[in-house]
Amino acid sequence: KAGVTQTPRYLIKTRGQQVTLSCSPISGHRSVSWYQQTPGQGLQFLFEYFSETQRNKGNFPGRFSGRQFSNSRSEMNVSTLELGDSALYLCASSQDRGSSGNTIYFGEGSWLTVV
Amino acid sequence: AQSVTQLDSQVPVFEEAPVELRCNYSSSVSVYLFWYVQYPNQGLQLLLKYLSGSTLVESINGFEAEFNKSQTSFHLRKPSVHISDTAEYFCAVSTSGTYKYIFGTGTRLKVLA
Repeated sequence: KAGVTQTPRYLIKTRGQQVTLSCSPISGHRSVSWYQQTPGQGLQFLFEYFSETQRNKGNFPGRFSGRQFSNSRSEMNVSTLELGDSALYLCASSQDRGSSGNTIYFGEGSWLTVV
Repeated sequence: AQSVTQLDSQVPVFEEAPVELRCNYSSSVSVYLFWYVQYPNQGLQLLLKYLSGSTLVESINGFEAEFNKSQTSFHLRKPSVHISDTAEYFCAVSTSGTYKYIFGTGTRLKVLA
C-alpha cells in the first residue's frame, strides 16, 4: 500500500507570494492533518480534515488555509508568504475509526523556503 | 490543554550501550501516547504507541516504552543501540475527540562508534 504522498517536495517562493501544497493520503484513510515543522517551534498542528470538513484548527493566522476533496486528498494554502513561513510542512493521514486513538502516518513533507 | 516535555534535546551514546529518552506529558484527561522517529530529510515514522492495556509497549526494532500514569511519563528505552538508530525522536500525545497530536520538541540521538 502506498504511503502518504506530498507534492512538491521542495519549493522556493518570494515574500508576498502564495503557495499551495498537496497531499494524497494512504488509500482508505479519510482523515488528513497538517503540521508545520521548524527548528525553533518544532512540530505545530495546523488543521485536520475528515470527509471534507475541518474538525480542528491550530493557532495559525488566517493566511494558512486548507481543504479536503471528496477523494480525501487535501491541499493547504499559505497566502502573502513571510520569511517565517519557511518550514517543512508535513501531511499525515489516518483511518479514524472513532475515539480509539487513531495513529497518524506522515508523508515526507514539503520543504518551503521563502526568500 | 495537553503538553509534552522532552527534557533532553541531544543524547550522545556509544554503540551497543543502553539509552533512555525521556518524555513527560501533562493532561487533565486520558491520553494516547506515541513515539515517532525522524531520519534526516524524511517525515516522521511511528515507532510505537500506547492506547490502553499493557503499560509496556515494544517496537519491532528493539525499542520499548512504558506508560507511567502516576509520573505522567512515557520514556523510550533500548538496551543496545546501533549506529543506524541515530535520528531525532519525538514523543506525542493525543486525546479522544481533538483530532490532533501535541509533539514534544524532540531528542536528537547520536550513536557513536
